[in-house]
Amino acid sequence: QVQLQESGPGLVKPSGTLSLTCAVSGGSISSGNWWSWVRQPPGQGLEWIGEIRYSGTTNYNPSLNSRVAMSLDRSKNQYSLKLSSVTDADTAVYYCAKSTGSWYYFDNWGQGTLVAVSS
Amino acid sequence: QAALTQPASVSGSPGQSITISCTGTSSDVGGYNFVSWYQQHPGKAPKLMIYDVTNRPSGVSTRFSGSKSGNTASLTISGLQAEDEADYFCSSYTRTRVVFGGGTKLTVL
Repeated sequence: QVQLQESGPGLVKPSGTLSLTCAVSGGSISSGNWWSWVRQPPGQGLEWIGEIRYSGTTNYNPSLNSRVAMSLDRSKNQYSLKLSSVTDADTAVYYCAKSTGSWYYFDNWGQGTLVAVSS
Repeated sequence: QAALTQPASVSGSPGQSITISCTGTSSDVGGYNFVSWYQQHPGKAPKLMIYDVTNRPSGVSTRFSGSKSGNTASLTISGLQAEDEADYFCSSYTRTRVVFGGGTKLTVL
């Protein structure tokens, strides 16, 4: 059973860059799945940020496209998210999630990590 | 503002059935059979309950079922149990991204 674990700073300053990593265990990140990030502001709904495929191809939410970058680190079996020029609106629980059948639904999730944007 | 519209809350008594609706447009829910449903208990990560409108992942109870008509998808939970009390989110494929509903809080009375 594949397990996902997010890590990264819990506090980021406004206008800074949010950086998170998702460590994958129990399976290879190069195994043909899709790897996504989804966020949830406190008390609110879910927002898909984007996905990176096992090949390294990326697909980002158009509403965040200019600020988002995702990458794979095959040597560490993990993938990463960078979100630049953050504001209060980026405060959220950030989840990494895996898709096995198709990229648009998520069958395995990390526990989530809260990132607050504040000075 | 969420792209898909869900009722804020629904409730039912143990043993009853409830249905949660998810309304979109012809560009998302109505255009593709790629609607998914997630269950989220407080402080926990979402859990996939239904994918591609009607399919249940292995291990999900047969009490959960999905359907779609036009631009509206629905999640039905039969034989309500206390453990079903949670937030439920729908999502849909679009050509460029995944969109979610605002979520529905299910209360088991």
